[in-house]
Amino acid sequence: GAVVSQHPSWVICKSGTSVKIECRSLDFQATTMFWYRQFPKQSLMLMATSNEGSKATYEQGVEKDKFLINHASLTLSTLTVTSAHPEDSSFYICSATRTSLDEQFFGPGTRLTVL
Amino acid sequence: RKEVEQDPGPFNVPEGATVAFNCTYSNSASQSFFWYRQDCRKEPKLLMSVYSSGNEDGRFTAQLNRASQYISLLIRDSKLSDSATYLCVVNGGNQGGKLIFGQGTELSVKP
Repeated sequence: GAVVSQHPSWVICKSGTSVKIECRSLDFQATTMFWYRQFPKQSLMLMATSNEGSKATYEQGVEKDKFLINHASLTLSTLTVTSAHPEDSSFYICSATRTSLDEQFFGPGTRLTVL
Repeated sequence: RKEVEQDPGPFNVPEGATVAFNCTYSNSASQSFFWYRQDCRKEPKLLMSVYSSGNEDGRFTAQLNRASQYISLLIRDSKLSDSATYLCVVNGGNQGGKLIFGQGTELSVKP
């Protein structure tokens, strides 16, 4: 099956710093990547859809200036949480697909803790 | 109303029990339906896709009723290793590949 990696797997940072999370498709080209956030005891919530070479589409209520998404190549998308605050602490998960209608393959997630 | 709603959990069952999870969705334009399994602090993993004709994979049986916008998952002869959160997932209809996740139902299988 297709493999998606995320880096880092966990990060702890001080309030006000920016954190970059990488999502890579290791053995296939991903034209579309999705970024999700999951708070404890809640389900995954889609934050944004990212297509290679174009601007990400953000879900309602997600601040695009706070969560910067770059999908510069067919195997890499990055999510930068700018000026992170404790309420941004969450489990961030990416998924990747060959086409937008294909099965999504999930990365292992990044656990962010903002102190 | 949530786009995808699942039975509130948790379900605590003994080994060997049969357990059923229910799910309803609101978008009648949805075309693809899935059950995912998520272990604690891990990413979700696809358990099975759900088809109108129903499908079975070993101890797992999934059913879809489009008219009622209802999806189910049946687990027979449950094992300790089945303990996880089960997520009902529906595609967003005309919204491309967007997936909508239910809140999940936690299953705990006890010896």
